[in-house]
Amino acid sequence: TQLLEQSPQFLSIQEGENLTVYCNSSSVFSSLQWYRQEPGEGPVLLVTVVTGGEVKKLKRLTFQFGDARKDSSLHITAAQPGDTGLYLCAGSYNNNDMRFGAGTRLTVKP
Amino acid sequence: DSGVTQTPKHLITATGQRVTLRCSPRSGDLSVYWYQQSLDQGLQFLIQYYNGEERAKGNILERFSAQQFPDLHSELNLSSLELGDSALYFCASSVAFQGYTFGSGTRLTVV
Repeated sequence: TQLLEQSPQFLSIQEGENLTVYCNSSSVFSSLQWYRQEPGEGPVLLVTVVTGGEVKKLKRLTFQFGDARKDSSLHITAAQPGDTGLYLCAGSYNNNDMRFGAGTRLTVKP
Repeated sequence: DSGVTQTPKHLITATGQRVTLRCSPRSGDLSVYWYQQSLDQGLQFLIQYYNGEERAKGNILERFSAQQFPDLHSELNLSSLELGDSALYFCASSVAFQGYTFGSGTRLTVV
């Protein structure tokens, strides 16, 4: 059972387009993380957000943590084929183990 | 190289068998986490160890067990294997909850 809902499940866009993916929960997170995973590899941490309303930028990626710390979004500007991968959000409810969403599988076509 | 080492990378075994997956955490990380990833279930948390002690348990079956040794490496033991246990098994480590560093995983195929 996924405690975190990610949407959309699949996303296929052309190079240069913008996109936003979402991560939602009915529970309050103590922290939330976004990871990117490529086939055959483990997830790689992109960012950790802790404070409600927090916005972090990583080059063309913008991460936002909801004010109530129950949801988050990842926006990618001018997507590139190298952005292709599985984007996972993970939330912690007690600063111990992280629970992962099912992910958004992004394909950026050249 | 993430610094988290998992062996073996691939494992093929028959139903009913027992296997051991090994994980060496990143230097300095005291916490080790095990996750199972399958196509229809996503990343499922199995168990966490911190400095040799079990800290949290997730959806880990009774046929599965794990331990963390004094040198902080961890092993995940899977027994009485079933076809449905086929999956990617990931180990991750962290220090003071600063984010997880994952290994490359062990792909287990039960035939």
